[in-house]
Amino acid sequence: GQNIDQPTEMTATEGAIVQINCTYQTSGFNGLFWYQQHAGEAPTFLSYNVLDGLEEKGRFSSFLSRSKGYSYLLLKELQMKDSASYLCASNNNNDMRFGAGTRLTVKP
Amino acid sequence: DTEVTQTPKHLVMGMTNKKSLKCEQHMGHRAMYWYKQKAKKPPELMFVYSYEKLSINESVPSRFSPECPNSSLLNLHLHALQPEDSALYLCASSQYRGNTEAFFGQGTRLTVV
Repeated sequence: GQNIDQPTEMTATEGAIVQINCTYQTSGFNGLFWYQQHAGEAPTFLSYNVLDGLEEKGRFSSFLSRSKGYSYLLLKELQMKDSASYLCASNNNNDMRFGAGTRLTVKP
Repeated sequence: DTEVTQTPKHLVMGMTNKKSLKCEQHMGHRAMYWYKQKAKKPPELMFVYSYEKLSINESVPSRFSPECPNSSLLNLHLHALQPEDSALYLCASSQYRGNTEAFFGQGTRLTVV
């Protein structure tokens, strides 16, 4: 079975840093994806963590702890355009299944 | 070319109609997926094709029928749908099943009346 949890909504200020957490309990776990989805648009890939640790990609970083069933997405220097839903998705048994998503609102 | 193209973008159909959604990619990806997304909900996995063979059917009702004619194309045939089937249908592809990033199409917004 699978259970992926992330906060429903978050609000942050332009220029700030925000951390979006994701916990999972899945069988056949292979890795953890993060996707960004703007309203009315398709999800776009942000990161994929297989091994424990932090991976940095520009303003976005993603962290994974397999032993704790925990991941986070870190967004730095927030911009207004970062207002979107952020979806964590587990790769379990080679299929990607999404959590409920976190709706992030960036305010001036 | 990193595009997944879906047609049509919008579709309104009656409950007795038969229609098809189409998805195309030319990235040489060998895995293709159908997801269903309701408003303010995450995408839900429906079907997975790997090397043009159906690998996963997530207990989807038979009124949805997938087809993968070749490695670049994925169809979703619709018949006798219900109003609750109205949603955004997203197609995605990845190089291989599960181990790499998936590229999503813009989706078909389906309304069943």
